[in-house]
Amino acid sequence: DTGVSQDPRHKITKRGQNVTFRCDPISEHNRLYWYRQTLGQGPEFLTYFQNEAQLEKSRLLSDRFSAERPKGSFSTLEIQRTEQGDSAMYLCASSLFASSEPHEQFFGPGTRLTVL
Amino acid sequence: GQQVMQIPQYQHVQEGEDFTTYCNSSTTLSNIQWYKQRPGGHPVFLIQLVKSGEVKKQKRLTFQFGEAKKNSSLHITATQTTDVGTYFCAGTNFGNEKLTFGTGTRLTIIP
Repeated sequence: DTGVSQDPRHKITKRGQNVTFRCDPISEHNRLYWYRQTLGQGPEFLTYFQNEAQLEKSRLLSDRFSAERPKGSFSTLEIQRTEQGDSAMYLCASSLFASSEPHEQFFGPGTRLTVL
Repeated sequence: GQQVMQIPQYQHVQEGEDFTTYCNSSTTLSNIQWYKQRPGGHPVFLIQLVKSGEVKKQKRLTFQFGEAKKNSSLHITATQTTDVGTYFCAGTNFGNEKLTFGTGTRLTIIP
């Protein structure tokens, strides 16, 4: 158990609907990351936060995607007007950033999204 | 943009044989991390390499970071069934915390 939790674990939705996922990181971790992973591929970076500030957002992330971390603890990822191409596993990870060097990231179990 | 490729894509080995996966980046990396993902699971951190030419060992696993910091390898000696999974390298660029994951090598073990 890595300590990162995600909810829901599975989500099936119809095309055009909005969905929201939640991630609870390890409590003392100040960095939180969102990734998307499709079958047979490595995780693809979407965005990350340090505390409540969103520091980087992938250029691949369309305007339909938005993420928040309002109090610097849990985070939500919302996808508006879902498309079939959004079907994937959405992974959240957290880390403790305390110096200039990247640290290991602890991943949650993921939310598997299926868009019909 | 940065691309990180791994070869081979798949590897089937007899239990007890050795296994190696190679990771190559299109750009120089500030460091590289390795993760293991079991079937149906999530990536789990194995190790981080920072220095040019660095070699680290964890029991039967040996990790290397190339002199030019553009490539890396993971070698497993005498594979066991518990080694099954997909091994990903992931690199960061200088001044950027974003991890770029490689394409992964899926290891299966024939008992």
